[in-house]
Amino acid sequence: QSALTQPASVSGSPGQSITISCTGTSSDVGAYNYVSWYQQHPGKAPKLMIYDVSNRPSGVSNRFSGSKSGNTASLTISGLQAEDEADYYCSSYTTSSTSVFGGGTKLTVL
Amino acid sequence: EVQLLESGGGLVQPGGSLRLSCAASGFTFSSYAMGWVRQAPGKGLEWVSVTSSSGGHRYYADSVKGRFTISRDNSKNTLYLQMDSLRAEDTAVYYCAKVVGIVDPFDHWGQGTLVTVSS
Repeated sequence: QSALTQPASVSGSPGQSITISCTGTSSDVGAYNYVSWYQQHPGKAPKLMIYDVSNRPSGVSNRFSGSKSGNTASLTISGLQAEDEADYYCSSYTTSSTSVFGGGTKLTVL
Repeated sequence: EVQLLESGGGLVQPGGSLRLSCAASGFTFSSYAMGWVRQAPGKGLEWVSVTSSSGGHRYYADSVKGRFTISRDNSKNTLYLQMDSLRAEDTAVYYCAKVVGIVDPFDHWGQGTLVTVSS
């Protein structure tokens, strides 16, 4: 159950788009279309932003989108806003019937 | 409105035990799988354990298997995590969360309870 691999940090200016990658293996990301993304602001609980690779829960802005190719999933945030500055975590269902998170990516809005 | 309220965290010595509780409201508790996710200070999220809606299926991370036991009481709308043989590396904020699928994703989270394992 090794953690999925995410970049430690990404940054972008307001209005720009950024993409965060999440790399796993054929036993997790590559095995199913069950990748999720969470946003976490400092001192707060995580919030589900994307599930099943590309689906948005009700209330989540359509500026957030997800995709997957092989063993790598991606989260794209378009039209960056100051409030998007947070930590982002991917997760995936695994062939062991468990789930695994990525190490997290700190997004800085310049 | 979905609400999840954790309790039971605190300071415990290595090798000790602790039981966390999570009181749920605002949804039909018995219809959903529930789980625990932890976050060590300054670190990332770690999936810990999930129980099915009936409690008949339980899933654990390798790091806690054999030491932690997840359970639920659907008559009390409450989720539990019994933690035994605690280690320093178990120190973390423990979040209770509602599961949408089998063992993830988590669509609602509590605010967390801090468990500190130290002598």
